[in-house]
Amino acid sequence: QVQLQESGPGLVKPSQTLSLICSVSGDSIGSDKYYWTWIRQSAGRGLEWIGRVYASGSTYYNPSLKSRVTMSIDTSKSQFSLRLSSVTAADTAVYYCARDVYNSGWIYLDSWGQGALVTVSS
Amino acid sequence: DIQMTQSPSSLSAYVGDRVTITCRANQSVARFLNWYQQKPARAPKLLVYAASTLQSGVPSRFIGSGHGREFTLTITALQPEDFATYSCQQGHAVPWTFGQGTKVEI
Repeated sequence: QVQLQESGPGLVKPSQTLSLICSVSGDSIGSDKYYWTWIRQSAGRGLEWIGRVYASGSTYYNPSLKSRVTMSIDTSKSQFSLRLSSVTAADTAVYYCARDVYNSGWIYLDSWGQGALVTVSS
Repeated sequence: DIQMTQSPSSLSAYVGDRVTITCRANQSVARFLNWYQQKPARAPKLLVYAASTLQSGVPSRFIGSGHGREFTLTITALQPEDFATYSCQQGHAVPWTFGQGTKVEI
């Protein structure tokens, strides 16, 4: 049973960079069956897909956030990370890491972390 | 981006009721449509993928259907633990996008 756990500061100042790490246990982060994904949820915007990183390090970001997002993966530590620069209050949200599964041609988010609340405030 | 719209935004129901939630896409997503259940302060949980395939361990009272642009999630006999928010998500084209959610309450 795979488990994901987000970690990082819960408070970030405006204009600074939000940084989160997702630690994965119970399955191989290096498997080619999965993409490792970040999603956020705020009251105003619901669930928003931020982007994903593959075991090889290749990434795809939501175009709406692309200029500010960087994702990376460290298979030796079984972790992947999110950096979001130049944050504003609009980036206040619960941030989830999740596993995107490719199964027989179908794609779905089958495992999620518990979520990390990040507040942007001075 | 593909826009996903759910209806209704919320509904009130009783235990034992049959409940149907609709999800519409602004363009075809074939059968690349997933449903999630979310309870307060919890992460979303996958219920249905590929429009109609139940995730392992999900009760058979949850039924997904549809293809193309219109999909439904039906709960055939609502149980107390089913009171939650349900969201659809398209997996046809990145960026993945979600519906705004449907809150099922007593």
